Amino acid sequence: AQSVTQLGSHVSVSEGALVLLRCNYSSSVPPYLFWYVQYPNQGLQLLLKYTSAATLVKGINGFEAEFKKSETSFHLTKPSAHMSDAAEYFCAVSGQGRRALTFGSGTRLQVQP
Amino acid sequence: ETGVTQSPTHLIKTRGQQVTLRCSSQSGHNTVSWYQQALGQGPQFIFQYYREEENGRGNFPPRFSGLQFPNYSSELNVNALELDDSALYLCASSLMGASDEKLFFGSGTQLSVL
Repeated sequence: AQSVTQLGSHVSVSEGALVLLRCNYSSSVPPYLFWYVQYPNQGLQLLLKYTSAATLVKGINGFEAEFKKSETSFHLTKPSAHMSDAAEYFCAVSGQGRRALTFGSGTRLQVQP
Repeated sequence: ETGVTQSPTHLIKTRGQQVTLRCSSQSGHNTVSWYQQALGQGPQFIFQYYREEENGRGNFPPRFSGLQFPNYSSELNVNALELDDSALYLCASSLMGASDEKLFFGSGTQLSVL
């Protein structure tokens, strides 16, 4: 079985500041890990994914995430926040069979001018 | 723009009714998955269809059923609607077996059960 915990349901940063969204996972098999972004009234868009290759994964829009097995973490970062980054972010894990994603409850990112 | 389209975008039903939601997959994709996203929550996996057969199911009762057609379009059917079925229903398509398999999500159908 697998699960994801996202720490912080709301995160607020200033434009130009570092973005750090936290995700911890639990999985009984080597996990595949994902970050998705959801804008209002839209579906989910894949930002990046980890599939057991490089532990530092670069995604779209300047986001990246680092897989740390010892900490069971997969935190999402961006060096400098844009107003357009304001959205809901979901961390997800897929386990054995890779058929389904298990999502966290999401973190809403606010970017202040 | 993912190429995955869902209809309708919004729907209002009353308790006990039945509903059908539709999804058109991205061209060339052979797999479709359905997710339920309740307000303020992450999406929850309902089931997946691959080549017209159910290929995995989450913790949802049998009154949630699906179909995948030869053209890879899909339907989600929910019978005997309950108030807790009110949610955003997301469809996602993918190409199973691709070296870089990814899910492409539609914008969803917002279902309200009164």
